Amino acid sequence: DAGVTQSPTHLIKTRGQQVTLRCSPKSGHDTVSWYQQALGQGPQFIFQYYEEEERQRGNFPDRFSGHQFPNYSSELNVNALLLGDSALYLCASSLVGQGFEGAFFGQGTRLTVV
Amino acid sequence: AQSVTQPDIHITVSEGASLELRCNYSYGATPYLFWYVQSPGQGLQLLLKYFSGDTLVQGIKGFEAEFKRSQSSFNLRKPSVHWSDAAEYFCHAGNNRKLIWGLGTSLAVNP
Repeated sequence: DAGVTQSPTHLIKTRGQQVTLRCSPKSGHDTVSWYQQALGQGPQFIFQYYEEEERQRGNFPDRFSGHQFPNYSSELNVNALLLGDSALYLCASSLVGQGFEGAFFGQGTRLTVV
Repeated sequence: AQSVTQPDIHITVSEGASLELRCNYSYGATPYLFWYVQSPGQGLQLLLKYFSGDTLVQGIKGFEAEFKRSQSSFNLRKPSVHWSDAAEYFCHAGNNRKLIWGLGTSLAVNP
């Protein structure tokens, strides 16, 4: 049983560009959350998707958007990249309706903006 | 304001010594509480969680945590630390509406 998988593992982009990160949840999970983790910091919640809709959102600008597909996989899109967007982006999956069981995390995508 | 505080930014222990990592929360009603571990360059792994009931919870890798409502704390413990436990540890509080993370405690283990 594969856990949460994220792609790509590393990415380098230029300021102003757009980036798409991908996440496949753990088998049987229907909810995907995205986090941004700057170096030396704890994870910051970006948003959560369930039933193909954004259910919760953290304090991130509209440049950060997402999508969830019918197979529960998800994408995180960031437009007009800034140097400060350089971070580890983590995807976590969980199962709604089973209580708040805690999330399973992927290995993350390391985004570097130059 | 709701918050999760991990007072110790960095802790160093000797291999075989006991360990306690502190976590305090401010959340109104008791939230769900979790401890996660993150090895360098890796994602986060759930160590243990508390929802209700027995205030002493057992997790993976020999870790346990105790919920103390009167102190709004959820401290992580391990009786004997192994070198492989060197990592970043995050305390996390949340419910279906709001998710809050501590800033983490970095654990170093001396041989």
